[in-house]
Amino acid sequence: AQKITQTQPGMFVQEKEAVTLDCTYDTSDQSYGLFWYKQPSSGEMIFLIYQGSYDEQNATEGRYSLNFQKARKSANLVISASQLGDSAMYFCAMRENRGYSTLTFGKGTMLLVSP
Amino acid sequence: ETGVTQSPTHLIKTRGQQVTLRCSSQSGHNTVSWYQQALGQGPQFIFQYYREEENGRGNFPPRFSGLQFPNYSSELNVNALELDDSALYLCASSPNGGGEKNTEAFFGQGTRLTVV
Repeated sequence: AQKITQTQPGMFVQEKEAVTLDCTYDTSDQSYGLFWYKQPSSGEMIFLIYQGSYDEQNATEGRYSLNFQKARKSANLVISASQLGDSAMYFCAMRENRGYSTLTFGKGTMLLVSP
Repeated sequence: ETGVTQSPTHLIKTRGQQVTLRCSSQSGHNTVSWYQQALGQGPQFIFQYYREEENGRGNFPPRFSGLQFPNYSSELNVNALELDDSALYLCASSPNGGGEKNTEAFFGQGTRLTVV
């Protein structure tokens, strides 16, 4: 079974609108971290936002917020007021405690922002 | 920019050859992880080096090997290249083994390897 599932291969949004990118995860750990990364065509993975499994409040970073629903094991990324520069691939990732720290990524969602 | 640099940026190799990819970690970071990202997929963990020792490994064959140097820079070596090794190879650095849950990994821009 996939640990990170991103069901939207592509999303389209108009500039200045909000968009939600879906992510569900699977883990038996009580302590874990959830991340969202943006990957433009240049290839670099750019960290956007982090949510810890014990965090009671949803994480926010500027125009990015994470809608964390622990019981449903979902960690959706909300981008408010989309900009043309937001067009990129977006990856949800999870960090579990395995004696070492690494990230497990989903397959990504391609976001296209139109004028 | 994250301060993580990878070289070369692009590389073309022939099946059966060997390749070495390099990564300089961000200042102060002693942990380097390598990921393989095939076209249309998310990155997959290859292995991690912490203080010059392999600290964890994903589901990759032994022909994928690595090194970490005293300055915490790292190399990824792939022997007997196969066509399926064509991918973007990403290096990520983090501090202190990356153990803190909220420690994001800082990624380089990657090396695009094409095997023909």
